[in-house]
Amino acid sequence: QSALTQPPSASGSPGQSVTISCTGTSSDVGGYNSVSWYQQHPGKGPKLIIYEVSKRPSGVPGRFSGSKSGNTASLTVSGLQAEDEADYYCSSYAGSNNLVFGGGTKLTVL
Amino acid sequence: EVQLLESGGGLVQPGGSLRLSCAASGFTFSNYAMSWVRLTPGKGLEWVSSISGAGIGTNYADSVKGRFTVSRDNSKNTLFLQMNSLRAEDTAIYYCAKKRSGTSLEIFSFDYWGQGTLVTISS
Repeated sequence: QSALTQPPSASGSPGQSVTISCTGTSSDVGGYNSVSWYQQHPGKGPKLIIYEVSKRPSGVPGRFSGSKSGNTASLTVSGLQAEDEADYYCSSYAGSNNLVFGGGTKLTVL
Repeated sequence: EVQLLESGGGLVQPGGSLRLSCAASGFTFSNYAMSWVRLTPGKGLEWVSSISGAGIGTNYADSVKGRFTVSRDNSKNTLFLQMNSLRAEDTAIYYCAKKRSGTSLEIFSFDYWGQGTLVTISS
């Protein structure tokens, strides 16, 4: 149950786009269309922003989008806003009823 | 409105025990599998354990297998995590989380999370 690999930090100016990667293996990210992304602000519980690679729950702005190629998934935040500054975590189903998370990426809006 | 409220965290010595609870409201509790996920500063989020909607099936991360036990009381809409033989590396904020869809243990995503309860293991 190895963690997925995310860059520890990312940044962008308001209005810009930023992409966060999430690299796993063929046993998790590459093997299932079950990648999710979560946004977490300090002191709060995580919030689901992307599920099944690219689907957005109701109420999540269209500025958030997800994709996957091979063993790497990506989250893109377009038109960065100040409130997007948060920690972002990816997760993937890893078979045998196991779930694996990434180490998290701290997104800074400059 | 879905709400998940964890409780039971605290400071415990290594080797000790703690029981966490998660009170759920705003949805039909028994219709969803539930999980515990923890957040540590160095490792980020880590899935800990899951339990099926009926409470019959359970699953654990290797790091807690044999030490932690997940259970639920569907009559009281409450999820539990009994933690025994606690270690320093169990120090974390523990969240309960609702599976987005269904009762089975195949957890693909969580659509609601609680605010978390802090567990500190230290002498």
